[in-house]
Amino acid sequence: AQRVTQPEKLLSVFKGAPVELKCNYSYSGSPELFWYVQYSRQRLQLLLRHISRESIKGFTADLNKGETSFHLKKPFAQEEDSAMYYCALSGRGYGGATNKLIFGTGTLLAVQP
Amino acid sequence: GAVVSQHPSWVICKSGTSVKIECRSLDFQATTMFWYRQFPKQSLMLMATSNEGSKATYEQGVEKDKFLINHASLTLSTLTVTSAHPEDSSFYICSARAGTSGRSGELFFGEGSRLTVL
Repeated sequence: AQRVTQPEKLLSVFKGAPVELKCNYSYSGSPELFWYVQYSRQRLQLLLRHISRESIKGFTADLNKGETSFHLKKPFAQEEDSAMYYCALSGRGYGGATNKLIFGTGTLLAVQP
Repeated sequence: GAVVSQHPSWVICKSGTSVKIECRSLDFQATTMFWYRQFPKQSLMLMATSNEGSKATYEQGVEKDKFLINHASLTLSTLTVTSAHPEDSSFYICSARAGTSGRSGELFFGEGSRLTVL
């Protein structure tokens, strides 16, 4: 079964501190992993995806198939990073156009000044 | 990026009435849209996958007769909550995938619709 686990509901750090938001997944095939962010009073938006191997707003995430993890990291947190972060999984395979996203429960990142 | 718009953003209704929520892709065509439900301070729960021109695919535990989904065009999907009750009060969010190739197409989310059933 597809499942995404984010063990931390809340992560509070001070400005300038490193951040790691944990995400583990369960999927029998070859998944696509994403991180979505929701800032206060705004809609959900894509932060990054594992296939792009990109760094967005200083955030990176590496897919570790051995540990089935896709942790989100940033070396120096900023106050504007405070938001709700969701890890999500989409299964690859046939067609792809209807592959649905399964979300984790989310982690609220609070960056203190 | 692509824009997905939902209407209404907030609706209050009496118990027993039906409420329709619209989801539109404003500048792209979407053969597939997804409807999610989000309870306060909780994650998004996928309710159903809306396919243009065919029946929606519902997730386990979601009543298809309760949550009617219609995807009549490539830019519009509607979710109708029939005979709404207070327990249906929630935040409903739609998303659409840009591009028909799909597999790596980005999902764009609407701003959500808050339903309050009195």
